[in-house]
Parts: sequence; structure tokens; C-alpha cells
Amino acid sequence: GENVEQHPSTLSVQEGDSAVIKCTYSDSASNYFPWYKQELGKRPQLIIDIRSNVGEKKDQRIAVTLNKTAKHFSLHITETQPEDSAVYFCAASSGGGADGLTFGKGTHLIIQP
Amino acid sequence: DAGVIQSPRHEVTEMGQEVTLRCKPISGHNSLFWYRQTMMRGLELLIYFNNNVPIDDSGMPEDRFSAKMPNASFSTLKIQPSEPRDSAVYFCASSPTGGSGEQYFGPGTRLTVT
Repeated sequence: GENVEQHPSTLSVQEGDSAVIKCTYSDSASNYFPWYKQELGKRPQLIIDIRSNVGEKKDQRIAVTLNKTAKHFSLHITETQPEDSAVYFCAASSGGGADGLTFGKGTHLIIQP
Repeated sequence: DAGVIQSPRHEVTEMGQEVTLRCKPISGHNSLFWYRQTMMRGLELLIYFNNNVPIDDSGMPEDRFSAKMPNASFSTLKIQPSEPRDSAVYFCASSPTGGSGEQYFGPGTRLTVT
């Protein structure tokens, strides 16, 4: 089955700086890679996703890159703000996302004022 | 749009008791997923349904766990008998018709088994 590794487990950055979270996956059949943000006590919320036919996708301050050859994908957050503090999860799925998601262990992002 | 609805939001039960968690997916979504979240194991897929049919239940930890989806608007996850190690937050998620991939999570049920 799929295995998703996520690093780092904790990331502390100064407000206004950029944050990068990296994930690797093992199953070459995976073709859908979403990122979820989870605040304490809340549900995971989809913030951005990318499919295997695309190398990069951007939505305002958030971008995701995918390297299929190396089987890794990354989340980039620019101009970080206090409300970006949360746990971020990467995930992978085959079947274009119609299958269940395999999640990484999460990154606790802390934005220092 | 009410989003994915789960009940109860919190459940405290004693070891050995039966627990039933409920989920109502977003109307029109044809895929439904059950996940479990713990500090030790993170977010794990338990089972998912497409068009009310169970597709993959390989994540169900033991025979004590069972899930049903009798119709497009309702699913249950049952644990019988419950054990302390089942304590976790159980999330239900649904995905739109056509397998676009976006999964929308419910608020979760926090289960505590004493």
C-alpha cells in the first residue's frame, strides 16, 4: 500500500517569512495530492490539491509543487500570518482521489509574532 | 449547504459496550469515507463507499469494527465490543460525484472508551 512521509514534524517561522513542508510517497500509481489544514479541535480542511499531470499550482499565498520522478511534493506558504498556525497534513491517493487518502503524520506550523 | 454531519460529537462509554457513530454526507456526494485520528497513528482510512457500496475495508482494524451505508444519505460505523484502544476522533468525509477528489470532512466524533 501507499506510504506517505512528511517533514518536518514541527516548523516555527517568523511572521512574514515563508514556510515549506515536504512529503514523499511510495506508490507510483498515486495521482492526487491534497493538503489539509487542521486547527486544534477542528476538522481537517482542504486548502489546495494537485494532480499528477500538473507540476505546480498556486492559490494566493499558498503553492504546491509535485515531482513525480522523485515522488515528492511540497507545500509553500509565503508571507505567513498568525492565522496560518495549525497542523498541516499532506495526503496521496490513486484513482484521482476517488479512493481513500493516505495521510502523512502532519506538520505543526507555528508562526512567531 | 449543511456540510457533512456526524453524531454524536462526543461519546464516552465503558469497555465492552457497543458504540455506533453516524454520518450524513453532503447531498449529492456519492463517495463516503471513514477515518480515525489518534496522536500515535495520525489520520487513518478505515473504509470507504462508492454509491453506497463498500469498496475498501482493509483499514478496518478488527472484526469488532463494521460499517454500513444503507442509503445515499446515511452511514454508520459500529464498534462491538469497544476497547480503550479504540479511543480516538472518528471523521466521516464525503466526495462529489465523478471522483473529483476533494474530500470534505465532518466535525468528527470524539470517542472515549474507559
